[in-house]
Amino acid sequence: QVQLQESGPGLVKPSETLSLTCTVSGDSVTTYYWSWIRQPPGKGLEWIGYIYYSGSTNYNPSLKSRVTTSVDTSKNQFSLILHSVTAADTAVYYCARMDEQAFDIWGQGTLVTVSS
Amino acid sequence: QSALTQPASVSGSPGQSITISCTGTSSDVGGYNFVAWYQHQPGKAPKLTIYDVSHRPSGVSNRFSGSKSGNTASLTISGLQAEDEADYYCGSYTSSRTWVFGGGTKLTVL
Repeated sequence: QVQLQESGPGLVKPSETLSLTCTVSGDSVTTYYWSWIRQPPGKGLEWIGYIYYSGSTNYNPSLKSRVTTSVDTSKNQFSLILHSVTAADTAVYYCARMDEQAFDIWGQGTLVTVSS
Repeated sequence: QSALTQPASVSGSPGQSITISCTGTSSDVGGYNFVAWYQHQPGKAPKLTIYDVSHRPSGVSNRFSGSKSGNTASLTISGLQAEDEADYYCGSYTSSRTWVFGGGTKLTVL
């Protein structure tokens, strides 16, 4: 059974860097593409970007200048870094597995609040 | 990229059928058969319910079905059950090689 678990600080100060990790169990990070998706309070889902273990990436154009993703095959994890955060980045952040053109496995999500 | 358009809420009684629409453009919904629907219940991870417009993942009830016409995709739930109450999101691949979601529809089972 494939499971994803997000981890990272729940509180980040404005202008600082948000950093999250997704740990994959029951599957290898070298097998699929992996994505980050977020949901601001009271709003819909927003796709952030994807990464393949080879380093291939693609990001939401609205976030591209501030986003970096990476894969650690030794730990079977992938990570998200979002620079220069503002209150608008407050959201539940999900990691998800991409199978073909759909997100078939999701983590439970982690709330990140941007506040001083 | 603009979010796909979904109704904010729909409701139905047990046993009835409901349909949720998802409207995009020719650059996303209308241009590809890569529309998916996700069920999201409070405190749970979102669950893939329909992929590639009309395909059900293993384990998803055949009461869920999907379709598409032009730039609008639809999710139909037949034989509505209390356990179907959730938020439903559509998502589509786009011509920019990115993904876009709808704003979500809250389904209430009366």
